[in-house]
Amino acid sequence: GQQVMQIPQYQHVQEGEDFTTYCNSSTTLSNIQWYKQRPGGHPVFLIQLVKSGEVKKQKRLTFQFGEAKKNSSLHITATQTTDVGTYFCAGYSGGGADGLTFGKGTHLIIQP
Amino acid sequence: EAGVTQFPSHSVIEKGQTVTLRCDPISGHDNLYWYRRVMGKEIKFLLHFVKESKQDESGMPNNRFLAERTGGTYSTLKVQPAELEDSGVYFCASSQVHRSNYGYTFGSGTRLTVV
Repeated sequence: GQQVMQIPQYQHVQEGEDFTTYCNSSTTLSNIQWYKQRPGGHPVFLIQLVKSGEVKKQKRLTFQFGEAKKNSSLHITATQTTDVGTYFCAGYSGGGADGLTFGKGTHLIIQP
Repeated sequence: EAGVTQFPSHSVIEKGQTVTLRCDPISGHDNLYWYRRVMGKEIKFLLHFVKESKQDESGMPNNRFLAERTGGTYSTLKVQPAELEDSGVYFCASSQVHRSNYGYTFGSGTRLTVV
């Protein structure tokens, strides 16, 4: 079945440094979504990308969807302590199950 | 607007016992989904309701799991009998439309520990 690999699993950065997490799918995705989960919290929807090569920005966050619609990345510029949490990518394949296939997530740890 | 509410937040039960988890979706959200995250693994889809109908239950691990959504409002997920490998966090999510461009709203989850 479809698999979504996400790296790195953990990322320690100093406050102010940049951060990037990457997702790769074993199959072509119809779209990809990104979620953030704060420690002790639940996943909160950030954004959805649909088009091949799409790039979207939300303040310091930049999201990209690959040309082949099999990979995606999230880049945070100048991290702040409020960025701490786990970032998940999740996607739908063209057919298949109704649910999203999630990556394992990247835990972002920020040292002040 | 109230969010997705799940109850209980934590449950510790012994192997072989029964546990029922409840999810109240956002009012008006016809689509309700159950997911779970077992320790160290990714969040996995369990099933999808549209109103009271099971649309897709391909992710349900086995017949010890039973989900219902009578009346198309809240949903329950019963595990009977519970096994050690059922431990994890069970999330419920809802949306107005399936595969919404605005993603899902997740509940806070129920952390289930089977001992």
